Amino acid sequence: EVQLVQSGAEVKKPGESLSISCKGSGYSFSNYWIGWVRQMPGKGLEWMGIIYPGDSDTSYSPSFEGQVTISADKSIGTAYLQWSSLKASDTAMYYCARPRIPVAGDAFDIWGQGTRVTVSS
Amino acid sequence: QSALTQPASVSGSPGQSITISCTGTSSDVGNYDYVSWYQQHPGKAPQLMIYDVTKRPSGVSNRFSASKSGNTASLTISGLQAEDEGDYYCSSYTGSSTWVFGGGTKLTVL
Repeated sequence: EVQLVQSGAEVKKPGESLSISCKGSGYSFSNYWIGWVRQMPGKGLEWMGIIYPGDSDTSYSPSFEGQVTISADKSIGTAYLQWSSLKASDTAMYYCARPRIPVAGDAFDIWGQGTRVTVSS
Repeated sequence: QSALTQPASVSGSPGQSITISCTGTSSDVGNYDYVSWYQQHPGKAPQLMIYDVTKRPSGVSNRFSASKSGNTASLTISGLQAEDEGDYYCSSYTGSSTWVFGGGTKLTVL
């Protein structure tokens, strides 16, 4: 079964660093893009960025460029979303997602279960 | 890269049809046939309902259909059922490995 399993919920203080993960299984991890999507409480989906684990080619939404870092370790089939200094406004649910086929532009049909991040002093 | 424009809410009675619009620009919806639609139930991850403007993934009911004209895409749900209630998001590829979502539409089945 193709699936993405994300790391568990996090509660952090402003200014702290954080890395959340997304582990793929049941397919060739290196050959499919992995995207990250933010959903703030009660709000809509926002596309953050994407990585191709095969060569770590990464693209970010202008809204998130410089705010987060997306990386991947293809040897363990895991993608990461990282913050160096969290803000209260980073409080949200974060989803990773994989496209149907390994083609640029394709829709995302496999989603992780989401990781809830709470940033509060 | 602005979000695609969707109505905040739509509603319909069981058995009726509803349509949700998704308006973008010539840089996204109008330029690529990579428009997709997602359904999200409360507390759940989004689920792909439509890809490549009009195609349904295996397992998605044929009550869901979609189209595109110019910079506007549309999702139609016919024969509304209670289980269709939820949030719907459109999305478009915008080139250079970037995507954009719509603001989301809350569907209420009356």
